[in-house]
Amino acid sequence: AQSVTQLDSQVPVFEEAPVELRCNYSSSVSVYLFWYVQYPNQGLQLLLKYLSGSTLVKGINGFEAEFNKSQTSFHLRKPSVHISDTAEYFCAVSEAPLNAGGTSYGKLTFGQGTILTVHP
Amino acid sequence: DVKVTQSSRYLVKRTGEKVFLECVQDMDHENMFWYRQDPGLGLRLIYFSYDVKMKEKGDIPEGYSVSREKKERFSLILESASTNQTSMYLCASSPYFGTGSHNEQFFGPGTRLTVL
Repeated sequence: AQSVTQLDSQVPVFEEAPVELRCNYSSSVSVYLFWYVQYPNQGLQLLLKYLSGSTLVKGINGFEAEFNKSQTSFHLRKPSVHISDTAEYFCAVSEAPLNAGGTSYGKLTFGQGTILTVHP
Repeated sequence: DVKVTQSSRYLVKRTGEKVFLECVQDMDHENMFWYRQDPGLGLRLIYFSYDVKMKEKGDIPEGYSVSREKKERFSLILESASTNQTSMYLCASSPYFGTGSHNEQFFGPGTRLTVL
Protein backbone atom coordinates (compact mmCIF):
# COMPACT_ATOMS: atom_id res chain seq x y z
CA ALA A 1 0.00 0.00 0.00
CA GLN A 2 1.05 3.56 -0.60
CA SER A 3 0.57 6.77 1.34
CA VAL A 4 1.11 10.43 0.52
CA THR A 5 1.77 13.33 2.85
CA GLN A 6 1.57 16.93 1.75
CA LEU A 7 3.52 18.83 4.33
CA ASP A 8 1.71 22.16 4.08
CA SER A 9 -2.05 22.55 4.18
CA GLN A 10 -1.89 26.21 3.14
CA VAL A 11 0.79 28.25 1.38
CA PRO A 12 0.32 32.02 1.01
CA VAL A 13 2.67 33.79 -1.38
CA PHE A 14 2.95 37.12 -3.19
CA GLU A 15 2.59 37.39 -6.93
CA GLU A 16 5.83 36.83 -8.90
CA ALA A 17 7.48 35.08 -5.93
CA PRO A 18 8.74 31.49 -6.22
CA VAL A 19 6.81 28.70 -4.56
CA GLU A 20 7.43 25.10 -3.50
CA LEU A 21 4.68 22.69 -2.48
CA ARG A 22 6.04 19.69 -0.65
CA CYS A 23 5.01 16.07 -1.08
CA ASN A 24 6.43 12.93 0.52
CA TYR A 25 5.26 9.42 -0.25
CA SER A 26 5.65 5.96 1.19
CA SER A 27 5.65 2.76 -0.84
CA SER A 28 7.33 -0.63 -0.82
CA VAL A 29 7.21 -0.87 -4.63
CA SER A 30 8.04 1.33 -7.58
CA VAL A 31 5.56 4.11 -8.14
CA TYR A 32 4.28 6.69 -10.55
CA LEU A 33 3.78 10.19 -9.13
CA PHE A 34 1.35 12.92 -10.11
CA TRP A 35 0.40 16.48 -9.27
CA TYR A 36 -3.14 17.62 -9.91
CA VAL A 37 -4.61 21.12 -9.57
CA GLN A 38 -8.18 22.02 -8.63
CA TYR A 39 -9.38 25.53 -9.40
CA PRO A 40 -12.40 26.79 -7.44
CA ASN A 41 -15.61 24.92 -8.27
CA GLN A 42 -13.91 22.65 -10.77
CA GLY A 43 -12.68 19.07 -10.99
CA LEU A 44 -9.04 18.03 -10.90
CA GLN A 45 -6.68 18.67 -13.80
CA LEU A 46 -3.32 16.97 -14.32
CA LEU A 47 -0.33 19.31 -13.91
CA LEU A 48 2.48 16.81 -14.45
CA LYS A 49 3.51 13.21 -13.85
CA TYR A 50 6.67 11.23 -13.19
CA LEU A 51 6.82 7.78 -14.72
CA SER A 52 10.54 7.05 -15.19
CA GLY A 53 13.71 8.58 -16.59
CA SER A 54 14.68 12.18 -15.83
CA THR A 55 13.87 13.10 -12.26
CA LEU A 56 12.94 16.66 -13.23
CA VAL A 57 9.50 16.76 -14.75
CA LYS A 58 8.01 19.80 -16.46
CA GLY A 59 4.27 20.35 -16.55
CA ILE A 60 1.71 22.87 -17.66
CA ASN A 61 1.52 26.51 -16.60
CA GLY A 62 5.27 26.72 -15.83
CA PHE A 63 5.23 24.15 -13.01
CA GLU A 64 7.91 21.53 -12.51
CA ALA A 65 8.58 18.79 -9.97
CA GLU A 66 11.61 16.80 -8.94
CA PHE A 67 11.48 13.12 -8.01
CA ASN A 68 13.90 12.25 -5.21
CA LYS A 69 13.89 8.51 -4.62
CA SER A 70 16.22 8.54 -1.63
CA GLN A 71 14.07 11.08 0.18
CA THR A 72 10.79 9.69 -1.24
CA SER A 73 9.74 13.17 -2.22
CA PHE A 74 8.12 14.81 -5.22
CA HIS A 75 8.03 18.55 -4.54
CA LEU A 76 6.27 20.92 -6.91
CA ARG A 77 7.88 24.25 -7.84
CA LYS A 78 7.22 27.37 -9.85
CA PRO A 79 9.77 30.17 -10.15
CA SER A 80 7.21 32.99 -10.40
CA VAL A 81 3.54 32.60 -9.51
CA HIS A 82 0.53 34.47 -10.82
CA ILE A 83 -2.79 35.33 -9.22
CA SER A 84 -4.36 32.72 -11.49
CA ASP A 85 -2.32 29.98 -9.79
CA THR A 86 -4.52 30.29 -6.72
CA ALA A 87 -5.98 26.81 -6.33
CA GLU A 88 -5.71 23.58 -4.37
CA TYR A 89 -2.94 21.21 -5.37
CA PHE A 90 -2.92 17.46 -4.83
CA CYS A 91 -0.03 15.04 -4.94
CA ALA A 92 -0.89 11.43 -5.85
CA VAL A 93 0.88 8.08 -6.21
CA SER A 94 0.08 4.80 -7.94
CA GLU A 95 1.84 1.49 -8.31
CA ALA A 96 4.05 1.17 -11.38
CA PRO A 97 2.92 -1.65 -13.74
CA LEU A 98 5.81 -4.04 -13.13
CA ASN A 99 4.79 -4.35 -9.51
CA ALA A 100 1.05 -4.27 -9.91
CA GLY A 101 0.45 -7.66 -11.46
CA GLY A 102 -2.51 -6.16 -13.26
CA THR A 103 -4.61 -5.81 -10.15
CA SER A 104 -4.16 -2.21 -9.11
CA TYR A 105 -6.41 -0.94 -11.93
CA GLY A 106 -4.58 2.35 -11.91
CA LYS A 107 -5.78 3.35 -8.47
CA LEU A 108 -4.39 6.61 -7.14
CA THR A 109 -3.70 7.50 -3.52
CA PHE A 110 -3.97 11.24 -2.88
CA GLY A 111 -2.44 13.53 -0.34
CA GLN A 112 -4.49 15.88 1.80
CA GLY A 113 -4.09 18.83 -0.54
CA THR A 114 -2.28 22.19 -0.32
CA ILE A 115 -4.17 25.43 -0.84
CA LEU A 116 -1.97 27.91 -2.66
CA THR A 117 -3.12 31.51 -2.32
CA VAL A 118 -1.34 34.13 -4.42
CA HIS A 119 -1.67 37.69 -3.15
CA PRO A 120 -1.18 40.82 -5.29
CA ASP B 1 -11.32 16.71 -26.01
CA VAL B 2 -11.79 14.17 -23.24
CA LYS B 3 -14.83 14.64 -21.10
CA VAL B 4 -16.26 13.33 -17.86
CA THR B 5 -19.64 14.74 -16.89
CA GLN B 6 -21.60 14.47 -13.67
CA SER B 7 -25.36 14.79 -13.55
CA SER B 8 -25.56 17.61 -10.99
CA ARG B 9 -23.21 20.28 -9.72
CA TYR B 10 -25.21 20.88 -6.54
CA LEU B 11 -27.67 18.58 -4.81
CA VAL B 12 -29.64 18.95 -1.57
CA LYS B 13 -31.30 15.90 -0.05
CA ARG B 14 -32.96 14.93 3.20
CA THR B 15 -31.73 12.33 5.67
CA GLY B 16 -32.96 8.89 4.72
CA GLU B 17 -33.50 9.64 1.04
CA LYS B 18 -32.03 7.41 -1.66
CA VAL B 19 -29.57 9.44 -3.75
CA PHE B 20 -28.18 8.69 -7.21
CA LEU B 21 -25.09 10.41 -8.54
CA GLU B 22 -24.44 9.79 -12.23
CA CYS B 23 -21.16 9.97 -14.11
CA VAL B 24 -20.65 9.62 -17.87
CA GLN B 25 -17.38 9.54 -19.82
CA ASP B 26 -16.97 9.74 -23.58
CA MET B 27 -13.41 8.40 -23.82
CA ASP B 28 -14.22 4.67 -23.97
CA HIS B 29 -12.26 4.18 -20.74
CA GLU B 30 -12.41 0.85 -18.95
CA ASN B 31 -11.77 2.15 -15.42
CA MET B 32 -14.06 4.48 -13.52
CA PHE B 33 -13.77 5.79 -9.97
CA TRP B 34 -15.84 7.56 -7.33
CA TYR B 35 -14.13 9.73 -4.71
CA ARG B 36 -15.34 11.96 -1.96
CA GLN B 37 -13.42 15.12 -1.16
CA ASP B 38 -13.45 16.68 2.30
CA PRO B 39 -11.33 19.59 3.57
CA GLY B 40 -8.05 18.40 5.04
CA LEU B 41 -8.62 14.82 3.96
CA GLY B 42 -7.93 15.06 0.24
CA LEU B 43 -9.67 12.60 -2.06
CA ARG B 44 -10.71 9.24 -0.71
CA LEU B 45 -11.71 6.37 -2.98
CA ILE B 46 -15.23 5.03 -2.42
CA TYR B 47 -15.58 2.46 -5.23
CA PHE B 48 -14.08 1.76 -8.60
CA SER B 49 -14.98 -0.33 -11.62
CA TYR B 50 -12.62 -1.89 -14.16
CA ASP B 51 -15.27 -3.26 -16.50
CA VAL B 52 -18.99 -3.30 -17.09
CA LYS B 53 -20.79 -4.91 -14.15
CA MET B 54 -17.49 -5.21 -12.24
CA LYS B 55 -16.83 -3.23 -9.08
CA GLU B 56 -14.35 -3.12 -6.26
CA LYS B 57 -14.52 -1.44 -2.88
CA GLY B 58 -12.21 1.44 -2.24
CA ASP B 59 -11.09 2.82 1.09
CA ILE B 60 -14.45 4.10 2.37
CA PRO B 61 -17.30 2.06 0.81
CA GLU B 62 -19.60 1.99 3.85
CA GLY B 63 -22.97 3.55 3.16
CA TYR B 64 -22.47 3.53 -0.62
CA SER B 65 -23.08 1.21 -3.53
CA VAL B 66 -22.37 1.52 -7.26
CA SER B 67 -23.73 0.38 -10.57
CA ARG B 68 -22.08 0.04 -13.96
CA GLU B 69 -24.47 -1.32 -16.56
CA LYS B 70 -22.79 0.41 -19.50
CA LYS B 71 -19.14 1.14 -20.14
CA GLU B 72 -19.60 4.91 -20.26
CA ARG B 73 -21.75 5.28 -17.14
CA PHE B 74 -20.90 4.75 -13.47
CA SER B 75 -23.47 5.52 -10.78
CA LEU B 76 -22.93 6.10 -7.09
CA ILE B 77 -25.87 5.28 -4.82
CA LEU B 78 -26.49 6.42 -1.28
CA GLU B 79 -29.14 3.96 -0.10
CA SER B 80 -30.18 6.09 2.89
CA ALA B 81 -28.44 9.44 2.96
CA SER B 82 -27.04 10.68 6.24
CA THR B 83 -25.66 14.07 7.25
CA ASN B 84 -22.11 12.71 7.42
CA GLN B 85 -22.32 12.04 3.69
CA THR B 86 -22.44 15.76 2.98
CA SER B 87 -19.40 16.22 0.78
CA MET B 88 -18.02 16.89 -2.69
CA TYR B 89 -18.18 13.79 -4.89
CA LEU B 90 -15.80 13.44 -7.80
CA CYS B 91 -15.95 10.91 -10.61
CA ALA B 92 -12.90 9.95 -12.71
CA SER B 93 -12.04 7.59 -15.53
CA SER B 94 -8.85 6.12 -16.97
CA PRO B 95 -7.90 3.73 -19.77
CA TYR B 96 -7.20 0.07 -19.16
CA PHE B 97 -4.19 -0.50 -16.96
CA GLY B 98 -1.22 -1.43 -19.12
CA THR B 99 -2.26 0.38 -22.29
CA GLY B 100 0.36 3.05 -21.72
CA SER B 101 -2.02 5.31 -19.87
CA HIS B 102 0.33 5.37 -16.92
CA ASN B 103 -2.61 5.57 -14.55
CA GLU B 104 -3.65 9.12 -15.47
CA GLN B 105 -7.22 9.77 -14.37
CA PHE B 106 -9.57 12.30 -15.92
CA PHE B 107 -12.00 14.01 -13.56
CA GLY B 108 -15.50 15.36 -13.77
CA PRO B 109 -16.44 18.76 -12.27
CA GLY B 110 -17.84 17.25 -9.08
CA THR B 111 -21.20 17.17 -7.31
CA ARG B 112 -21.53 19.05 -4.04
CA LEU B 113 -24.07 17.09 -2.01
CA THR B 114 -25.70 18.49 1.10
CA VAL B 115 -27.76 16.16 3.28
CA LEU B 116 -30.10 17.94 5.71
